Amino acid sequence: QILLLQSGSEVRKPGASVKVSCRVSGHALSGLSLHWVRQSPRKGFEWMGVIGPHTAETVYAQKFQGRVALTEDTSAETAYMELINLTSEDTAVYYCTTIDGIGYWGQGTHVVVS
Amino acid sequence: IVLTQSPASLAVSLGERATINCKSSQSVLSSYGYGNSLTWYRQKPGQPPKVLIYWASLRESGVPDRFSGSGSGTDFTLTISSLQPADVGIYYCQQNSTVEWTFGQGTKVEV
Repeated sequence: QILLLQSGSEVRKPGASVKVSCRVSGHALSGLSLHWVRQSPRKGFEWMGVIGPHTAETVYAQKFQGRVALTEDTSAETAYMELINLTSEDTAVYYCTTIDGIGYWGQGTHVVVS
Repeated sequence: IVLTQSPASLAVSLGERATINCKSSQSVLSSYGYGNSLTWYRQKPGQPPKVLIYWASLRESGVPDRFSGSGSGTDFTLTISSLQPADVGIYYCQQNSTVEWTFGQGTKVEV
């Protein structure tokens, strides 16, 4: 059973950045492809990017290229998503998620840009 | 890959069947030959999505057997054979046959 535990809600002003963490238990982070997805009422689910497995290689959605950075600290079994140059359009719930046979999701991190 | 769900909303009497469709703009057959990389979720307010069906037709552990998934290639269906009060929520299909995952826009199921 993989558990993904995300950091708490964040409030930022436009132009600022935010970094959300996702702690993995039940499986070695290094062996997972960890995806980041956000959800907003206006846009629904949007895939942002993926990191891993093994080499921490990243692939980003074109929409977020240059604004998002996915990193991981395998010693802490924790992955991070940093989004810069925030606007009100970035107000959303951000999820880390992975598939190991079935899908596993974090509880979500609400980011408000205002 | 674009996933189009229908209908956008659905009101079904308790005990009746609910059917949700998901059409993909291209095949979601896994390049590894494992099957169709299509997952069905239900989401309730303030909660993350809950996996119901994966690989298009496999029921997640603990999911009641009134939920079933079918289809292949580009056309998929989620069926709730006998709607119960706990089944209300928004249902989404999602494909992971490509690195860039995509989701349907959701189907709201009400009693």
